Amino acid sequence: AQKVTQAQTEISVVEKEDVTLDCVYETRDTTYYLFWYKQPPSGELVFLIRRNSFDEQNEISGRYSWNFQKSTSSFNFTITASQVVDSAVYFCALRETSGSRLTFGEGTQLTVNP
Amino acid sequence: EPEVTQTPSHQVTQMGQEVILRCVPISNHLYFYWYRQILGQKVEFLVSFYNNEISEKSEIFDDQFSVERPDGSNFTLKIRSTKLEDSAMYFCASSPGQGRGTYEQYFGPGTRLTVT
Repeated sequence: AQKVTQAQTEISVVEKEDVTLDCVYETRDTTYYLFWYKQPPSGELVFLIRRNSFDEQNEISGRYSWNFQKSTSSFNFTITASQVVDSAVYFCALRETSGSRLTFGEGTQLTVNP
Repeated sequence: EPEVTQTPSHQVTQMGQEVILRCVPISNHLYFYWYRQILGQKVEFLVSFYNNEISEKSEIFDDQFSVERPDGSNFTLKIRSTKLEDSAMYFCASSPGQGRGTYEQYFGPGTRLTVT
């Protein structure tokens, strides 16, 4: 069965600090997809990135970067030079090709203080 | 930019009542989903829907739940007899398809259901 673990329940940083959110997953499928979603205080779920299991290249988008390590089943998310607007709950999610559901982790509450 | 919309934003109902939550997925999307999030907890999958039938459902999605696409734009979730534990945020999502490069699910703003 698929499982996603986000061990960090809450992280608090000061603005401009870098912060890494950890995500570890379990799956029996050889092909799968990993996602990060942001849930700001307003409650909606905002798609950030999708990573395919067959593409291990890391990705950078502005202040965001993602480190996919298949060998350790991890898909970590780093925010560089954090800003107050980054404060949100961040969810990592997994989708196996054998199904259609997203399996979410417990989420990490990130608070960026001015 | 196209987005998923949901109505109502907040629904209060009494235990035992039926509720229908409504969603309008992104217009050219083919796959539709419902998820729920109990306050302070993670997002949980309920059901996926494609080509007018359920393609996958979770153990949460029991006989009290049903989904329907009554016309070309709406996608609904019905809870027949609500329980206190059904209180949660319900998210609708849609995705363009299942093929490579089309796996992102885009979520609506959610409907907060409160069962009293």
